[in-house]
Amino acid sequence: QMTQSPSSLSASVGDRITITCQASRDISNLLNWYQQRPGKAPRLLIYDVSNLQAGVPSRFSGSGSGTDFTLTINKVQPEDVATYFCQQYESLTSFGQGTRLEIK
Amino acid sequence: QVRLIQSGAEVKTPGSSVKVSCRAAGGVFTSKTINWLRQAPGQGLEWLGSVIPFLGSTDYAPDFQDRVTISADRYTATAYMEMRSLRSEDTAIYYCATGIIPSTAPSRVGYFDTWGQGTLVAASS
Repeated sequence: QMTQSPSSLSASVGDRITITCQASRDISNLLNWYQQRPGKAPRLLIYDVSNLQAGVPSRFSGSGSGTDFTLTINKVQPEDVATYFCQQYESLTSFGQGTRLEIK
Repeated sequence: QVRLIQSGAEVKTPGSSVKVSCRAAGGVFTSKTINWLRQAPGQGLEWLGSVIPFLGSTDYAPDFQDRVTISADRYTATAYMEMRSLRSEDTAIYYCATGIIPSTAPSRVGYFDTWGQGTLVAASS
């Protein structure tokens, strides 16, 4: 089971924000992050904790290991308004419930 | 990167079946898996299962093992997801996505790097 926090947050353009994802057991580095903009399909941002998918801006980064993981966005931009999901694949696969990011 | 094109929205009555397709633009499947996921209104993502097109081998999430069949035709580069005995709670957007399985993965699931546009399936009487 994957637990994300917060469930929603509001940030100003240029802020640095962090989303956390906690696994109910050790999942090593088998953790990915996705962005889903309103009305769109999800998009892979980061795979295996910290590897940036091709084409994803460098303001996105990921870290963590074992049970605790973070997604950081440095200098939030208006186009970052979306819901962010973590995904584990240590035991088949499952997703966190999502974190909705809005701009103040 | 391959582009995935899904079939159109479906409205079904409870108890019936639905079959959704996912075609690789350009007409060629890569060596990646094709996965099916869904998202109920306002909810998170749920993985249903996957197929390796060149082998035809499939994996399913336990909750869907008995009601879902995933298949692929490598000659037409089209994958399919059929769900039977539809219930109102199956109303969701269904996505196909290509998957990459890292060598460290303990099962045939990894990360999903390309997604289709989604297909709304509504099960309602």
